[in-house]
Amino acid sequence: SQQGEEDPQALSIQEGENATMNCSYKTSINNLQWYRQNSGRGLVHLILIRSNEREKHSGRLRVTLDTSKKSSSLLITASRAADTASYFCATAPIGYSTLTFGKGTMLLVSP
Amino acid sequence: EAGVVQSPRYKIIEKKQPVAFWCNPISGHNTLYWYLQNLGQGPELLIRYENEEAVDDSQLPKDRFSAERLKGVDSTLKIQPAELGDSAVYLCASSTSPGAEAFFGQGTRLTVV
Repeated sequence: SQQGEEDPQALSIQEGENATMNCSYKTSINNLQWYRQNSGRGLVHLILIRSNEREKHSGRLRVTLDTSKKSSSLLITASRAADTASYFCATAPIGYSTLTFGKGTMLLVSP
Repeated sequence: EAGVVQSPRYKIIEKKQPVAFWCNPISGHNTLYWYLQNLGQGPELLIRYENEEAVDDSQLPKDRFSAERLKGVDSTLKIQPAELGDSAVYLCASSTSPGAEAFFGQGTRLTVV
């Protein structure tokens, strides 16, 4: 079963715009992670935010975590065509250390 | 440093035939995952190893799937016999500890005809 659920399922924007995608999860977590998957390739880790953190930055990425709402958001600023990919959130639930993935958001960035 | 290596990259087999996938994790990574990914979906766990012990195999269809991780390093996932519904991408990932950042291989795309 999948713990997280991303929203929206698909997002289409122009280069230079910002992209925001959200993740909701069901049970308390140790951390939440975001991964990117380009077409036909493996998943690549983007960022990890721990349950006691509220916000984290990495380059053009900004992740927030609201444990009271059991939700997270991933913001990609000044998007590029190369950001076109599927983005997945993954959680490590407390008491269940297996990394569990959502269904993903498919992002299309047009030149 | 080499990443997670999986082979083969692609496999086409007829239904009812056996198939095996191999994974070599990053050196020193004690945690190893096998995931199944269907088109348009996220990875779904099949089995998690901590060293050579399978600690989470609740989602593994044990009537036809088996896995092993000898000496706590390389791992093999086997399907016997394969069914049409097993067509998917099989992903291997490893991490230093449970719930930590996972590093993925390129996956094996299985087509059962």
